[in-house]
Amino acid sequence: AQKITQTQPGMFVQEKEAVTLDCTYDTSDPSYGLFWYKQPSSGEMIFLIYQGSYDQQNATEGRYSLNFQKARKSANLVISASQLGDSAMYFCAMREDNFNKFYFGSGTKLNVKP
Amino acid sequence: GAVVSQHPSWVICKSGTSVKIECRSLDFQATTMFWYRQFPKQSLMLMATSNEGSKATYEQGVEKDKFLINHASLTLSTLTVTSAHPEDSSFYICSANRGESRGEETQYFGPGTRLLVL
Repeated sequence: AQKITQTQPGMFVQEKEAVTLDCTYDTSDPSYGLFWYKQPSSGEMIFLIYQGSYDQQNATEGRYSLNFQKARKSANLVISASQLGDSAMYFCAMREDNFNKFYFGSGTKLNVKP
Repeated sequence: GAVVSQHPSWVICKSGTSVKIECRSLDFQATTMFWYRQFPKQSLMLMATSNEGSKATYEQGVEKDKFLINHASLTLSTLTVTSAHPEDSSFYICSANRGESRGEETQYFGPGTRLLVL
């Protein structure tokens, strides 16, 4: 079974609008972490935001927020006030605390239109 | 944030040669580093977990004799693609955990190495 599922291969958003990138996960480990990374065309993986499974509040980092719904096993990324520089691939990832490795989703390509 | 470097960033080589890629954590010690492979428009595929002072742990389907990993120090791991062939052409990217304590599980990635085997 897929550990991380990203169902949106591509998304378009108008500049200055908000966009939500979907991510669902599957784990039986009670302790885990959820991450979002941005990968521009240069290839580097840029860490955006982290949510721990025991965190009570949704994580926020500037224009990025993570909509964590534990019962639904979803960890959607919300980008507010989109900028042209936000155009990139976005990967959702999970780390199970029992295993020291990450699982990545298939990614969502975001295009911000001027 | 933590910085991870990779060298070289680009490699073009002839079929049959071996290529070594270095991954360094620049401002922290990493007991564990990870090597990924990424094909165009696809996700990252974990190849192996590199442990300082011990043998690497390879994922299923990854040939350990083909992809040699050495983690000789707390700041350096190397991946050697032996007898490279065109199908080995890919983007190789490493990452490192800053630490194991809560809040430090984030993996920091190197900038990646693009390998083209002719």
